[in-house]
Amino acid sequence: AQRVTQPEKLLSVFKGAPVELKCNYSYSGSPELFWYVQYSRQRLQLLLRHISRESIKGFTADLNKGETSFHLKKPFAQEEDSAMYYCALSGPGGTSYGKLTFGQGTILTVHP
Amino acid sequence: NAGVTQTPKFRVLKTGQSMTLLCAQDMNHEYMYWYRQDPGMGLRLIHYSVGEGTTAKGEVPDGYNVSRLKKQNFLLGLESAAPSQTSVYFCASSSTTNLYFGPGTRLTVL
Repeated sequence: AQRVTQPEKLLSVFKGAPVELKCNYSYSGSPELFWYVQYSRQRLQLLLRHISRESIKGFTADLNKGETSFHLKKPFAQEEDSAMYYCALSGPGGTSYGKLTFGQGTILTVHP
Repeated sequence: NAGVTQTPKFRVLKTGQSMTLLCAQDMNHEYMYWYRQDPGMGLRLIHYSVGEGTTAKGEVPDGYNVSRLKKQNFLLGLESAAPSQTSVYFCASSSTTNLYFGPGTRLTVL
C-alpha cells in the first residue's frame, strides 16, 4: 500500500531562517511526488512536482529514492510562506494522475 | 474562467438526512475527484471519474455515491448522513499536468 508521512504537524521558524518540511513515502514502483500548499482563505494549489525539477517561490524538493523522501526546502523563509503544506504521491502518469495519496499536512508559521 | 466551483459552501445535517454536493468545472477536464479533509488525516480520495458516465471508488467510498452525467459536473451524494461524515469536502479536476481544487464544502452532521 502506498503511504505518505509528514512527521511534523506544526513547524515554526523566524523570517530569514531556513526551513525544511519533511516528507517520507512508501510505494512499490516509481511514484510521482508533489507538494501542495493551502494559504489562508485560498484553495489548495500545486506548489511543485518532482519531475519538473523547478524552484517555485524559492522552494525546492529533491526526490531521494534511497531514503524514500521528498523534503521541501527553502533557504530563507518569508512571512508569506505561512500556510498548510501537503506532500502527495501518485503512481506514474495517465489515469493514476489525480488519484493522489496525501500526507497529514504540516502547518508552517513564519514569524517576523 | 471560474475554474472548479462547489455548492454549497457550508451545510449542517442531522443524522440520517441526505444531501448532494455539486462540483462544476469549466476547463473541459476529463478527470474529476472528490476528497475529504480531516484533521491529522490529510486528504483522502472518496470517488473519482475518468470521464463522462464513469465513476470509480477511491480510498474511503463507503457511505457516498457519485454521478458524472455531464462532463463538467461531478455530484457527491450522502444517502444517510452520519456524524463520521463531518468533514471538509474538496472537489478537483485535472489535466494531465495539474490538479485544480475547488474551494471546499464544510459539512457538519449532528
